[in-house]
Amino acid sequence: AQSVAQPEDQVNVAEGNPLTVKCTYSVSGNPYLFWYVQYPNRGLQFLLKYITGDNLVKGSYGFEAEFNKSQTSFHLKKPSALVSDSALYFCAVRALYNFNKFYFGSGTKLNVKP
Amino acid sequence: ETGVTQTPRHLVMGMTNKKSLKCEQHLGHNAMYWYKQSAKKPLELMFVYSLEERVENNSVPSRFSPECPNSSHLFLHLHTLQPEDSALYLCASSQDPLGGANYGYTFGSGTRLTVV
Repeated sequence: AQSVAQPEDQVNVAEGNPLTVKCTYSVSGNPYLFWYVQYPNRGLQFLLKYITGDNLVKGSYGFEAEFNKSQTSFHLKKPSALVSDSALYFCAVRALYNFNKFYFGSGTKLNVKP
Repeated sequence: ETGVTQTPRHLVMGMTNKKSLKCEQHLGHNAMYWYKQSAKKPLELMFVYSLEERVENNSVPSRFSPECPNSSHLFLHLHTLQPEDSALYLCASSQDPLGGANYGYTFGSGTRLTVV
């Protein structure tokens, strides 16, 4: 079965500290992996993607994510968190064999405290 | 703006009402989607249209009826809804088989629906 897991409902971090939001996936074949961010009462905004190539991908707003094939993980990271990073973060995977299938995790709420 | 526009932003309707949600994309994408987002639940894919044909219907109750008159517009017609249908309804578009600026979906801001 195809799925995406975000094991933490919420992550709390102090401003200026590094942050990690975890994601693991299960999909047949090579996946396309994504992170989206959602601010209150807004749609999802694209942050970054992994398609192929370097396992460390950089995205918007200073975020980056590391693809680890052996651990089937795609954790989102940022070296220094900002209060404005507080939002809901979704990991998603798109199956190569079925482009209409886009599997989302349940979301992780990131709280960055001043 | 993302290039995907949803109207209205907020909608309150009674259980006997009929209303429609509208989604419009100006990205030249050829696939459009409806998602339902409820509190503390994963995003639920409702409908997929590719090249204006419905290719996916994820066991959605018949009180939700989609319509895709052309590749730029997508509607979700609502009738005799239940309070548990209250949620954020998100429209998205993509270029398939795989393309677009980010290979992913572009989402609209959503319609916050409250059924009373």
